[in-house]
Amino acid sequence: QQQVKQSPQSLIVQKGGIPIINCAYENTAFDYFPWYQQFPGKGPALLIAIRPDVSEKKEGRFTISFNKSAKQFSLHIMDSQPGDSATYFCAARSNYQLIWGAGTKLIIKP
Amino acid sequence: GAGVSQSPSNKVTEKGKDVELRCDPISGHTALYWYRQRLGQGLEFLIYFQGNSAPDKSGLPSDRFSAERTGESVSTLTIQRTQQEDSAVYLCASSSAQRRNSPLHFGNGTRLTVT
Repeated sequence: QQQVKQSPQSLIVQKGGIPIINCAYENTAFDYFPWYQQFPGKGPALLIAIRPDVSEKKEGRFTISFNKSAKQFSLHIMDSQPGDSATYFCAARSNYQLIWGAGTKLIIKP
Repeated sequence: GAGVSQSPSNKVTEKGKDVELRCDPISGHTALYWYRQRLGQGLEFLIYFQGNSAPDKSGLPSDRFSAERTGESVSTLTIQRTQQEDSAVYLCASSSAQRRNSPLHFGNGTRLTVT
């Protein structure tokens, strides 16, 4: 019940396309859902986050869509660029703990 | 410093040796986490420190792993009698517990290779 399931494991998209990464959870006590971006050799960095009382949040080219009834949330990257190539992790918070998805390796082809 | 600092950045050790990994959190951050990341995989929680409270050690995989933190300063993660399966990147993160949705700030990790 503490798991966060993330898909796909890897994704290749042409420049300008809209990659979509999905996450699903079971625990309804989760109260905060961040996405982190990780480049090779670096630690993850917060990209965007959402609370469960909001259905959508946009920051620049990044959008989180949140479906509370389905217990799913997704990351969309508009007008994707080669510089967006990275590994993306979704997470869900329970108290002080973040429960992490397994990650999606995204490649944006020029 | 401006961010979370971890040292060393790379460590190669022989099986059976002890290693000590260091994390300098962002000044003023009371919460500190250690994670393990195996190649191509997600983040595995190891231990959590919050101020002077007792740490949450529930993620430590065996009694060969231990960690310390004095107050709100530096933390060290020690792995005794290293095994090949300990090879991974060890990530440290800190956050300000004063803000509920304060993000985790990660260091760049220590890449541990056990030969």
